[in-house]
Amino acid sequence: QQQVKQSPQSLIVQKGGISIINCAYENTAFDYFPWYQQFPGKGPALLIAIRPDVSEKKEGRFTISFNKSAKQFSLHIMDSQPGDSATYFCAASKQGGSEKLVFGKGTKLTVNP
Amino acid sequence: ETGVTQTPRHLVMGMTNKKSLKCEQHLGHNAMYWYKQSAKKPLELMFVYSLEERVENNSVPSRFSPECPNSSHLFLHLHTLQPEDSALYLCASGTTNTGELFFGEGSRLTVL
Repeated sequence: QQQVKQSPQSLIVQKGGISIINCAYENTAFDYFPWYQQFPGKGPALLIAIRPDVSEKKEGRFTISFNKSAKQFSLHIMDSQPGDSATYFCAASKQGGSEKLVFGKGTKLTVNP
Repeated sequence: ETGVTQTPRHLVMGMTNKKSLKCEQHLGHNAMYWYKQSAKKPLELMFVYSLEERVENNSVPSRFSPECPNSSHLFLHLHTLQPEDSALYLCASGTTNTGELFFGEGSRLTVL
């Protein structure tokens, strides 16, 4: 049973465009929703995270939108750049702890010049 | 550089070999993790050590044996692996109350 469903599996965007990656979760006890970014040959690194007391969080060109009633959250990358090309993972956990992070399957983003 | 160092970066082993993966962190974190990353699969949590005690073992086969001698070091001992165990093994560290994980660059394991 996959607790966090991520889509699309792959995404190709032109430079300057908006990249949107979606995730849906099932467990209403989840209260921490991070996004990780992974470049080839590297481990994943935390990009941005949100807790359910807010509906949106923005850090530079990266924005998380959170819809608690729909149990969905998404990552928006504005003005996408070739350097953003990477695999993105959404995740969720209970009680804000790192022990029980559940990851989505990942989205491979390619930003064409 | 995330502060989490994994060695070796690449490992090729036969099904009868015994090898170990090593992970080291000097970030002052109190929890360390082993994850398995395979193609087209979610990151799979294998083991969690919190304050040097194993708190999670997600039905991992006994051919994988973790060891956490102190809060800075984590090992994954491998023996009689199967070809389907070929994957990227990621070590991570974190603090149990913040939710953020710091990953190493991984050990790419190939089992022949």
